[in-house]
Amino acid sequence: EAQVTQNPRYLITVTGKKLTVTCSQNMNHEYMSWYRQDPGLGLRQIYYSMNVEVTDKGDVPEGYKVSRKEKRNFPLILESPSPNQTSLYFCASSPIGVRISNQPQHFGDGTRLSIL
Amino acid sequence: SQQGEEDPQALSIQEGENATMNCSYKTSINNLQWYRQNSGRGLVHLILIRSNEREKHSGRLRVTLDTSKKSSSLLITASRAADTASYFCATETTDSWGKLQFGAGTQVVVTP
Repeated sequence: EAQVTQNPRYLITVTGKKLTVTCSQNMNHEYMSWYRQDPGLGLRQIYYSMNVEVTDKGDVPEGYKVSRKEKRNFPLILESPSPNQTSLYFCASSPIGVRISNQPQHFGDGTRLSIL
Repeated sequence: SQQGEEDPQALSIQEGENATMNCSYKTSINNLQWYRQNSGRGLVHLILIRSNEREKHSGRLRVTLDTSKKSSSLLITASRAADTASYFCATETTDSWGKLQFGAGTQVVVTP
């Protein structure tokens, strides 16, 4: 089954304790991205990746890191999490095509992070 | 600030009625997509409309795009309780390849 898998689904942690949220897709997609969703603000893009070893900042990259060493995986790293990073996070993937907006995005089920 | 903004923020209708929501954006786009999100779940792609299209249909969904007004509308006809969800538009500006921007969404509640 074609899917985007995020882990963990839920995490409660404390300020400053490094954490990684994993994202894996089995559709051989070139494009992967991370979003955070906050009430009233919709989805805001954190980072995106056009292919292996190619990553770029989205609209809200501060406090996050990503890496794309393999095509299927795109982990999101919070080196020193803070309470303002408490949010619902989504990973998505798609083929690239001519434009990203030509391609339906496939979303994971989300990771709810609480930073105390 | 966000590229796409949906209006209204929330919509409550009865089953069988039509639901219309709008998306306005600020700068030129290539294409516009609509997504649905059931409570607490990931987004699901509904429909894509290209910048050179004015209207598109998919089942009970009808999408329009007016590039002169920088706006799009999503119409759900004969709504069902299962249509209860949040709906988002997503755009990629012409000068920003790869950056997909979503609006804040319209929350639709369909009561039986």
